[in-house]
Amino acid sequence: NAGVTQTPKFQVLKTGQSMTLQCAQDMNHNSMYWYRQDPGMGLRLIYYSASEGTTDKGEVPNGYNVSRLNKREFSLRLESAAPSQTSVYFCASSEIFGSYGAFFGQGTRLTVV
Amino acid sequence: AQSVSQHNHHVILSEAASLELGCNYSYGGTVNLFWYVQYPGQHLQLLLKYFSGDPLVKGIKGFEAEFIKSKFSFNLRKPSVQWSDTAEYFCAVRAGGATNKLIFGTGTLLAVQP
Repeated sequence: NAGVTQTPKFQVLKTGQSMTLQCAQDMNHNSMYWYRQDPGMGLRLIYYSASEGTTDKGEVPNGYNVSRLNKREFSLRLESAAPSQTSVYFCASSEIFGSYGAFFGQGTRLTVV
Repeated sequence: AQSVSQHNHHVILSEAASLELGCNYSYGGTVNLFWYVQYPGQHLQLLLKYFSGDPLVKGIKGFEAEFIKSKFSFNLRKPSVQWSDTAEYFCAVRAGGATNKLIFGTGTLLAVQP
């Protein structure tokens, strides 16, 4: 049982480059999330998708876009990477009204130089 | 909008000491409350959760938390910490209903000295 799978695990980008972080879950969860984790700032919600076909901005959406491709997959795109987007990115999924909280992927460590 | 505050950013304890980490949230409606733990180099794992019922909830590894609705608090406790509890701890609040928005606090880094 893979749970939540993120790719890639590590990435280095040059300023201005674009990339897409992929996330897939195999737990049939309705909701999916993208967070970034920075020292001293905890996890900040970038975007989330409460259910297939919907996406909403979180706390720090600027510079990012998302696509809920289907129920399993939720991708995060950086159109023009900036050094301020250097961070560890986590994808998570949960069930609406579910009693297990959210399950997290292993994270993607992104460095923008 | 919901928000979460963790006032202890860095806590250092000796083994066998008691632990209490503060968490306060703001949200006007029904909430679900969580504590997650992140061990060095790993992703977040659920420690415990509160949905309804008994406000004192017990989680894994001897942790417990008490939901005090009047204080909008959900503090994490453990009577006797171990070196292996060294980790970062995050409080989180999820808005009730179909919104399912999950917000985290800034985290508390716990270092337990042997």
